[in-house]
Amino acid sequence: KNQVEQSPQSLIILEGKNCTLQCNYTVSPFSNLRWYKQDTGRGPVSLTIMTFSENTKSNGRYTATLDADTKQSSLHITASQLSDSASYICVVSRNTGGFKTIFGAGTRLFVKA
Amino acid sequence: SAVISQKPSRDICQRGTSLTIQCQVDSQVTMMFWYRQQPGQSLTLIATANQGSEATYESGFVIDKFPISRPNLTFSTLTVSNMSPEDSSIYLCSVNTGAPSGANVLTFGAGSRLTVL
Repeated sequence: KNQVEQSPQSLIILEGKNCTLQCNYTVSPFSNLRWYKQDTGRGPVSLTIMTFSENTKSNGRYTATLDADTKQSSLHITASQLSDSASYICVVSRNTGGFKTIFGAGTRLFVKA
Repeated sequence: SAVISQKPSRDICQRGTSLTIQCQVDSQVTMMFWYRQQPGQSLTLIATANQGSEATYESGFVIDKFPISRPNLTFSTLTVSNMSPEDSSIYLCSVNTGAPSGANVLTFGAGSRLTVL
């Protein structure tokens, strides 16, 4: 079954600290993996996209990694800010003659002052 | 990437009524997608809106409940019919703004938060 599992479900950190969010998937055949940030009451916004051959991708303080062998990805946030408080959604696509997108349930991050 | 405008941004509706959500894109796109995000849940694809043909619905979603229009390449509507409290969700419009590699990258509207009393 094609699934995307994220952990932790929620996380509270202090402003300025780093954190890492995890995503494990069983989607096949794999096409690409994306991390989205969703602020409360808003639509998701793409942070990074990685294909099979890419191991790491950065976007400012966000760094995503991908291990296609173990089917794991992580999103590392450096020097967190209050504005990082949001849901982070891991999204994996498979290509079976047409793209199929599977969403993880998301990790809810709370950054405290 | 594409800019997507959705309206209404939020609404409170009575049970049994219907609500139409509009989605406008600033560029022509072949496919537009409608998602539902129930409270505390991730996104679930309702249907793909194709210009010039009927929408393609995912398992568990039917046209009578969620009729979709796609009159041109920049606009679509989703109607939530005969609403019940279980339909309270955020409804999101999305388009594929694929990178040159062909990998699909979804751009989302801000969503329409629907509360059914």
